[in-house]
Amino acid sequence: RKEVEQDPGPFNVPEGATVAFNCTYSNSASQSFFWYRQDCRKEPKLLMSVYSSGNEDGRFTAQLNRASQYISLLIRDSKLSDSATYLCVVYSGGGADGLTFGKGTHLIIQP
Amino acid sequence: DGGITQSPKYLFRKEGQNVTLSCEQNLNHDAMYWYRQDPGQGLRLIYYSQIVNDFQKGDIAEGYSVSREKKESFPLTVTSAQKNPTAFYLCASSSDTIAGYTFGSGTRLTVV
Repeated sequence: RKEVEQDPGPFNVPEGATVAFNCTYSNSASQSFFWYRQDCRKEPKLLMSVYSSGNEDGRFTAQLNRASQYISLLIRDSKLSDSATYLCVVYSGGGADGLTFGKGTHLIIQP
Repeated sequence: DGGITQSPKYLFRKEGQNVTLSCEQNLNHDAMYWYRQDPGQGLRLIYYSQIVNDFQKGDIAEGYSVSREKKESFPLTVTSAQKNPTAFYLCASSSDTIAGYTFGSGTRLTVV
């Protein structure tokens, strides 16, 4: 069974700090990786795809470690508006059946 | 603006009733999906459709039915056979699974 595991948190972080969290996946054949952001009682929104070489989008950096089978998300200079649940999503091929969502990591940025 | 629209936002169902959740997209995406999210849980796939007039069961299809008569529309019916239907239902569409999904704003269904 495909598994995607995340620390549910909550991570309580002061504004301006750097925070990082990981997501582990069990299927070594996984092809694509994503981070989604979900605000309370809202739909998930794609934050960023995760590329093998790592990628950065402003204050957000995503990394992939295939050897250890995890992806990470780092948020620098955290803002109050970063408070949300971050979902790790892993695609293992085969269409929609191959997409597995983690349960999410809850992040709370405190003033 | 292109997007994906779900309605209604909130829905209350009596025990034994069937209800239909609407999902419409104008993104010209071929593929559409229905997920269910329970508190503290990951999204679970109910049904998906990759082309018009074709759909497949996901992990938790029992008690649900769908149709895909038009590219833009993928309604989900929650039947009385679904024993625990109270949940947050999310519709999504994509041009390609690898490209990521666009989600609708969801329908919160409650059984009363």
